[in-house]
Amino acid sequence: GNSVTQMEGPVTLSEEAFLTINCTYTATGYPSLFWYVQYPGEGLQLLLKATKADDKGSNKGFEATYRKETTSFHLEKGSVQVSDSAVYFCALSDQGFGNEKLTFGTGTRLTIIP
Amino acid sequence: DAGVIQSPRHEVTEMGQEVTLRCKPISGHNSLFWYRQTMMRGLELLIYFNNNVPIDDSGMPEDRFSAKMPNASFSTLKIQPSEPRDSAVYFCASSLRQLNTEAFFGQGTRLTVV
Repeated sequence: GNSVTQMEGPVTLSEEAFLTINCTYTATGYPSLFWYVQYPGEGLQLLLKATKADDKGSNKGFEATYRKETTSFHLEKGSVQVSDSAVYFCALSDQGFGNEKLTFGTGTRLTIIP
Repeated sequence: DAGVIQSPRHEVTEMGQEVTLRCKPISGHNSLFWYRQTMMRGLELLIYFNNNVPIDDSGMPEDRFSAKMPNASFSTLKIQPSEPRDSAVYFCASSLRQLNTEAFFGQGTRLTVV
């Protein structure tokens, strides 16, 4: 079956530090890959996505590249801000349309210290 | 658009009582998902509908759980009877299946069964 393995948290960084959150996956076929972010007390919001190998998703300074050879989709940001403090979820969907039956990782809680 | 609307935001109930969670998806979306989030198990897909028809309910934990989607603009998740281990945050999400778009999440219902 499908699965997503995320870097264990929590992660605490200083403002302007470089961020990497690792994500690897197992799936049949050719999944679409997503990073969602959850701010305190809110639902999940899509941060970025990639639908095929070598695609790079980017948004708000965050980036992730779909690496089929290593089955990975690591999230990176060059300089984090306090407002980036949230829980980040890696997810995949292999239903073809890229928006069904998302399988989520366990989430990584990120705290940025001023 | 108001986004996915869930009600209530918080629910506290006694063990054995019936609980009904409600969801209004984004207008025009034809896929709807119910997820449960707990510290122990993370995010789990309970059930999803396409064009008001349940497609996959393999994530529904027990017969105590049931979900309906009587029309394109409303869905319910019912737990009867409720148990303390059902305490979690329940999220509803919707998407447009025809395009490779993401799922949009509601703010969730925090359920506490005492």
